Amino acid sequence: QVQLVESGGGLVKPGGSLRLSCAASGFTFSDSYINWIRQAPGKGLEWVSFISSSGSDIYYADSVKGRFSVSKDNAKNSLYLQMNSLRAEDTAVYYCTRETLGCFDLWGRGALVTVSS
Amino acid sequence: QPALTQPASVSGSPGQSITISCTESGSDVGGYKYVSWFQHHPDKAPKLLIYDVTNRPSGVANRFSGSKSGNTASLTISGLQSEDEADYFCCSYVGSSTRYVFGSGTKVTVL
Repeated sequence: QVQLVESGGGLVKPGGSLRLSCAASGFTFSDSYINWIRQAPGKGLEWVSFISSSGSDIYYADSVKGRFSVSKDNAKNSLYLQMNSLRAEDTAVYYCTRETLGCFDLWGRGALVTVSS
Repeated sequence: QPALTQPASVSGSPGQSITISCTESGSDVGGYKYVSWFQHHPDKAPKLLIYDVTNRPSGVANRFSGSKSGNTASLTISGLQSEDEADYFCCSYVGSSTRYVFGSGTKVTVL
């Protein structure tokens, strides 16, 4: 089955860290560009980060640059998002998405991250 | 950087057609490179409906269609069905390090 499944969400205090994982199946993960996208409660979607198929090209939104780090393990068909120095405004559902032809053709169901004291 | 504006809500009766707009504004308007549309039911994975302004992936009902005029892209749902009740959002590729911007989202209600 072609799918992406996020895990690792939860409640964390401001200033804390959390690592999200995204497990891919049913397609050639090593050939795929993957993005993290988030949606804060009651807000629209926000692109967070991009990693190329080999992991050689990585981009971040200005709002997370310097705090978040994305990595890709093609041998394990997995993607990771290490989130440090978390802030209340990072509270959101985080989606793992596959990018192709200028859009996102496959999404996971998301992982909720809540940053609160 | 472009911003994409959508109406907050659109409603229609079963069998009717509705159209959701996605208007681009702001600096560096890129002419809507790779506009796409997504459907999102609560607690489910968002689903791609339209890519490259007008193209429909295999498996998406032909009731869903995309178009563009000037700085406004549109999603039309024909023959509205109860299962179409969901949130819909547009997305545009802006390139470089910013990558993508999303519309504010539109809640579709089937009366």
